[in-house]
Amino acid sequence: EPEVTQTPSHQVTQMGQEVILRCVPISNHLYFYWYRQILGQKVEFLVSFYNNEISEKSEIFDDQFSVERPDGSNFTLKIRSTKLEDSAMYFCASSGRGGWSTDTQYFGPGTRLTVL
Amino acid sequence: AQKVTQAQTEISVVEKEDVTLDCVYETRDTTYYLFWYKQPPSGELVFLIRRNSFDEQNEISGRYSWNFQKSTSSFNFTITASQVVDSAVYFCALSEAPGQGGSEKLVFGKGTKLTVNP
Repeated sequence: EPEVTQTPSHQVTQMGQEVILRCVPISNHLYFYWYRQILGQKVEFLVSFYNNEISEKSEIFDDQFSVERPDGSNFTLKIRSTKLEDSAMYFCASSGRGGWSTDTQYFGPGTRLTVL
Repeated sequence: AQKVTQAQTEISVVEKEDVTLDCVYETRDTTYYLFWYKQPPSGELVFLIRRNSFDEQNEISGRYSWNFQKSTSSFNFTITASQVVDSAVYFCALSEAPGQGGSEKLVFGKGTKLTVNP
């Protein structure tokens, strides 16, 4: 069964460093998302991406964040200058369609980011 | 604005008991979608079910069942004859129909941690 994959599973970085989290969505999906979950808290939406552009972003997704689909399979989240409060589990998700109907979003296993 | 409330933060049951996880939602849209996801101790988010706002039929899948009631804005999840492997955090989530100006982002509740003891 197709699944969303994410790498790395765990990333440790120093405050102020740049990190890139990688995701490979399900191959025929068109809509891509990043969410984050601070330890013990609820899952929060960061950004949605369709047709090579951001379709929606949350207040959390400030200028330090960016997303890219560099090729036909990868979807990345970059944090330019990490802060301690960026420590969280980051989930990538993809869905087959959007528009008038919201399709199910399937999530990857997550990348645990630890900022020291 | 969308909101999902899962009032039960933690529930503990003994194996074979039935357990119901509550979910109450708020939205101004007439078209919306409700979801349940399971997060086992390993951390991934596993999709369980998706319902749209026009389909109020209850659904049963094995030991799992869902009760969707628009009149009370609730979408409750029942596990029958619980097992230790059901131990996880369960999240209820809501999205709207983007074609009507809403957002397809998922808005999650805070989750209910279910512990099933042997």
